[in-house]
Amino acid sequence: AQKVTQAQTEISVVEKEDVTLDCVYETRDTTYYLFWYKQPPSGELVFLIRRNSFDEQNEISGRYSWNFQKSTSSFNFTITASQVVDSAVYFCALSEAEDNFNKFYFGSGTKLNVKP
Amino acid sequence: GAVVSQHPSRVICKSGTSVKIECRSLDFQATTMFWYRQFPKKSLMLMATSNEGSKATYEQGVEKDKFLINHASLTLSTLTVTSAHPEDSSFYICSARDLSGKGGRQRYEQYFGPGTRLTVT
Repeated sequence: AQKVTQAQTEISVVEKEDVTLDCVYETRDTTYYLFWYKQPPSGELVFLIRRNSFDEQNEISGRYSWNFQKSTSSFNFTITASQVVDSAVYFCALSEAEDNFNKFYFGSGTKLNVKP
Repeated sequence: GAVVSQHPSRVICKSGTSVKIECRSLDFQATTMFWYRQFPKKSLMLMATSNEGSKATYEQGVEKDKFLINHASLTLSTLTVTSAHPEDSSFYICSARDLSGKGGRQRYEQYFGPGTRLTVT
């Protein structure tokens, strides 16, 4: 079974629109971390956020915000007023205490196209 | 911060030859390093975990004789693709962990390298 599901394969928006990228995870562990990464066309993974399972506070960083809800096992990512530079593939990932946080389970990624 | 480099960034080799990819942690000692593979438009799949001074642990389905991993020091891990075939063409990404927690680095974080694009002709 997929541990991290990103159901949206590709999303296209027009600049200045808000967009939410969905991430649903599955784990039996009570201690885990969730991550979001951005992968531009160059391929390098850019770290965006890390969240531990005990901190359900939503977070805002500039135009980025994250909504962590354990009740629905979701960790969604919203970009407000999107810009062309936001175009990239975004990955959600999970690591668990069960294997000492060694394995990162990545979702399949969501490709975001922001058009001018 | 934590910086991980990979060399080369891009390599083209002929079928049947071997190619080595280096992964270095530049400003910290990496007790554990990881190798991922990413096919075009696909997700990252963990290939193996290497701990300094010991044999790598390979994920199910990854041929250890084909993908040789050496973690000879706390700052360097190498991945050698032996007898490369066109189907080995992929984007290979390494990552490293610093379990010391020093320098503001998170122990549960994996710091990713920029990746190496391998094309086998």
